[in-house]
Parts: sequence; structure tokens; C-alpha cells
Amino acid sequence: EPEVTQTPSHQVTQMGQEVILRCVPISNHLYFYWYRQILGQKVEFLVSFYNNEISEKSEIFDDQFSVERPDGSNFTLKIRSTKLEDSAMYFCASSDTGAGNEKLFFGSGTQLSVL
Amino acid sequence: SQQGEEDPQALSIQEGENATMNCSYKTSINNLQWYRQNSGRGLVHLILIRSNEREKHSGRLRVTLDTSKKSSSLLITASRAADTASYFCATDLPLGRYKLIFGTGTRLQVFP
Repeated sequence: EPEVTQTPSHQVTQMGQEVILRCVPISNHLYFYWYRQILGQKVEFLVSFYNNEISEKSEIFDDQFSVERPDGSNFTLKIRSTKLEDSAMYFCASSDTGAGNEKLFFGSGTQLSVL
Repeated sequence: SQQGEEDPQALSIQEGENATMNCSYKTSINNLQWYRQNSGRGLVHLILIRSNEREKHSGRLRVTLDTSKKSSSLLITASRAADTASYFCATDLPLGRYKLIFGTGTRLQVFP
């Protein structure tokens, strides 16, 4: 089965630093998502992306966050100035026709630790 | 307020027993999905049930949906130690093409 690939699997950074989390969605998918999960807690929606623009974003996704699809294959999440509370597992997901119609395919996640 | 909440938060059973997890949600939906997460891993889709469906089966999984009560249940029959994981329900929203909201999850432990 096709997979969503995320890199790196672990990222350690100092508070205030910028980080970029990378994802390669499934090649023919059109909808892209970022979620995060603080240890042991619920999976929280951050942002969805379709047709080269943000479709929806949550209140978590403030001005410190941005997403980009720089080429035909990568989908990135940038955190400009990391905070301690940004420490979490970040999941990328993609789908063909959108969450309202079908399942999401998730990557294995990037564990972000902000020190 | 949370869209999806699972009950119980944790469940421990012996191999061979059935496991039932419940999910309640607040707004109307187009579909409800169940996902599984092994510790420290990504989420894996298990089953999708649409708002006009009442029951769906996939292997040892049985999902029910009661839109009048805004609730769903996931039944795993004849559980195995390998079923040990967290299970999440997730709902879209009306016109919810762009967002899937996850519940709080049930941690299932199956003892051999």
C-alpha cells in the first residue's frame, strides 16, 4: 500500500529556533493535513491544504506556523520560533477526495522536542 | 468543546474476549471513522461508516452508528494481543471535506 513519508523521525531544537518538518504525501492525493499529538493526549487538527492554499486551520495554527508545498511532492510545516509547548508528535496525512469522503493516510510522525 | 469522546479511556481484557469502545460526538456528521494507533506510531484507518449507515463489518471489527444519539461503537471480537493499541474515532463536520476531528481515544490492552 502507498505510504506517507515523514522526515525526520525525531527533531530536537532549542526554544526560539525555527524548525521545518517534511512530508511526502501519496503521489496522487490532493488534500494534505498536519495534526499533532502531545504525549498521551488527543490528536489535534492543525491545518488542511488543498489546491495550493490553506483550506482550514485551527486556533493552534497561529502566525508562528506555516505550510508549503514547494514542489510536486513535498509538504512542509514550519514553526518559526519554537516554544516549549510545541513539543509533540507531528503527523502529516493525505487523502484523495478529502476527509468528508474517505480515509486519511497518516505518516509515522516526527517527534519534536523543544528544549 | 470536543467533537469526539471515547469511552472508556482504558480497557484491559484477556485474549479471546471481545472489546467494545464507544464514541460520542456533538454535531451532525457526514461520516465517522475509526483509527488505530500503536504506541508511538502513526494512525491507521480501520473503518468508515457514513451517516446513512447503521452498521458495518470488517473482519473482526463491527461498527455501529446511531445518529439520533450521536454515538458510535467499535467492537473487536476474539481479541488478540496484537490488538493492543489506542483506538480513536474521528468525525468530519457538515461540509467537512477539509477537516477530520479526532476523539480522545481508548487505550486497549489485550493480555495473552
